[in-house]
Amino acid sequence: RKEVEQDPGPFNVPEGATVAFNCTYSNSASQSFFWYRQDCRKEPKLLMSVYSSGNEDGRFTAQLNRASQYISLLIRDSKLSDSATYLCVLTGRRALTFGSGTRLQVQP
Amino acid sequence: DAGVIQSPRHEVTEMGQEVTLRCKPISGHNSLFWYRQTMMRGLELLIYFNNNVPIDDSGMPEDRFSAKMPNASFSTLKIQPSEPRDSAVYFCASSHRDRGYTDTQYFGPGTRLTVL
Repeated sequence: RKEVEQDPGPFNVPEGATVAFNCTYSNSASQSFFWYRQDCRKEPKLLMSVYSSGNEDGRFTAQLNRASQYISLLIRDSKLSDSATYLCVLTGRRALTFGSGTRLQVQP
Repeated sequence: DAGVIQSPRHEVTEMGQEVTLRCKPISGHNSLFWYRQTMMRGLELLIYFNNNVPIDDSGMPEDRFSAKMPNASFSTLKIQPSEPRDSAVYFCASSHRDRGYTDTQYFGPGTRLTVL
């Protein structure tokens, strides 16, 4: 079983839609969780950390469910500029472990 | 502020040649990470350094790969001899580690390597 699993997508949504991604992880000892964003042919960049109580940053909301070992990212009022690959990241057996990413395409 | 700097940005070489990728981390960061990204395998951690010392190199594919960090502002990743399956984007990232590897990692723009 992969340490981090994500649906690769693509998720094709219209502008203004709400979209949610989930990510499951296998290492129950993971302590820290993040969402990174990667644009096509660019480097990954930190989008937000994920806290146990859930956290929000503008249109983005992240949740952590330790019992079921998954994290989620909710994007409200999608913009064209949100089109990217979203990487689930956590502290694993080796420093940070990255999921393969979920591709989001927001359409006009 | 300058981010992580990598060179070259693109490298095309022939099988069997030596390839050297370079990275300058963000000033003041004490941890440096080398990653490889391919469509098939995603983003893989190859090796990381803390205070110029290699901490975990278990991701280095084989003896053809080596990495050094002679000082806090420079690191190299060398492939010798290169093979077509080494074709990938190689990222360098740095962070400030005072609470372990949970700190935000800042990535460089990557080196796109093609081995013919």
